[in-house]
Amino acid sequence: NAGVTQTPKFQVLKTGQSMTLQCAQDMNHEYMSWYRQDPGMGLRLIHYSVGAGITDQGEVPNGYNVSRSTTEDFPLRLLSAAPSQTSVYFCASSYGRVGTEAFFGQGTRLTVV
Amino acid sequence: KQEVTQIPAALSVPEGENLVLNCSFTDSAIYNLQWFRQDPGKGLTSLLLIQSSQREQTSGRLNASLDKSSGRSTLYIAASQPGDSATYLCAVRPNFGNEKLTFGTGTRLTIIP
Repeated sequence: NAGVTQTPKFQVLKTGQSMTLQCAQDMNHEYMSWYRQDPGMGLRLIHYSVGAGITDQGEVPNGYNVSRSTTEDFPLRLLSAAPSQTSVYFCASSYGRVGTEAFFGQGTRLTVV
Repeated sequence: KQEVTQIPAALSVPEGENLVLNCSFTDSAIYNLQWFRQDPGKGLTSLLLIQSSQREQTSGRLNASLDKSSGRSTLYIAASQPGDSATYLCAVRPNFGNEKLTFGTGTRLTIIP
């Protein structure tokens, strides 16, 4: 069972570069979201989607864009990478309004130099 | 704004002991609470999901309790093993806007053989 798949697992970017972190789920989940995890700060919500074509901002959205053209995929785009975006990024999904269990991908460790 | 606290930040116990991890939250209007395990450099693995109407959930050697009115949850681990060493995170989902999880910063557990 694939679950939530994130690619790449590791990435090094130079300041100012752009890139897309990929996230795909095969559980037909409505809700998908992106979190970043930083030491001492826990996981913080970047953007989320409640279904195809619907996205909204979370707690720390600046510098990131998302889109949701299909139920399965929810890519996260870094527009112009900054050292402050060095972090571990996690994608999560869950069934929708019943608020059930959230499943997480294995994470993408991003370093911006 | 919901705040989730996990104390202590780190805990070491000898193998075989029973132990309790704590999670507290400031806003009792939650839909559910989820406990996760995170191994170093890995993603989050869901351990237990406890709905706001439930008092506890059990899975194997794990038991999670929830006291919504006092804003507390505990994760009880029986007969600890070295393989239980990991960081344990709790996360709450609100009643409204329940696509958003708020995480604690975790308790890093070390089981000493």
